[in-house]
Amino acid sequence: SQQGEEDPQALSIQEGENATMNCSYKTSINNLQWYRQNSGRGLVHLILIRSNEREKHSGRLRVTLDTSKKSSSLLITASRAADTASYFCATLRMDSSYKLIFGSGTRLLVRP
Amino acid sequence: EPEVTQTPSHQVTQMGQEVILRCVPISNHLYFYWYRQILGQKVEFLVSFYNNEISEKSEIFDDQFSVERPDGSNFTLKIRSTKLEDSAMYFCASSEDWVGQGVSPLHFGNGTRLTVT
Repeated sequence: SQQGEEDPQALSIQEGENATMNCSYKTSINNLQWYRQNSGRGLVHLILIRSNEREKHSGRLRVTLDTSKKSSSLLITASRAADTASYFCATLRMDSSYKLIFGSGTRLLVRP
Repeated sequence: EPEVTQTPSHQVTQMGQEVILRCVPISNHLYFYWYRQILGQKVEFLVSFYNNEISEKSEIFDDQFSVERPDGSNFTLKIRSTKLEDSAMYFCASSEDWVGQGVSPLHFGNGTRLTVT
């Protein structure tokens, strides 16, 4: 079964605007992570939130987690053209020890 | 900053041939993974490896696939008899600690693009 589906699939905003991406998942999780992927490159870890946490910040990034709704959001404030990339959420299910499952990603385009 | 390195960056092979994709994880990391991504789509888990054995694998990772840590630094993925549908970007990753601790993220290499013709 799929775990970790991002919404929207694609997002285009103007530089300086905020970007919000959402992730929904199906089963109970241990933790949820957000990664970024520039075109043709590997994934880079952005932020990790544990199942007992509700919100986390890192620089211009803010992640929320709602375990009752099985959803998370990633907010990038004051976006820059360099934020253009694909963003993936990844979940570690409670019934799995090692398998971090990635969603389909949101393609973010920040227009200068 | 230490990074995961993968070679080659691009591998072209004929259907039915064996390929070995190579990775050098970050030196103090203990957990190793292979993922693949078909044409910019979902990143799919293949296998995780710890303490010289497979700790978890997906249904994709059938008996055509194998992994090995032949020495203290390399981590390899072998596909015994490639199929057209094996064409994808293969990513190696490593983590310092068990991902379930909620402390250690995965560090990814830049991938090997495998093209099966």
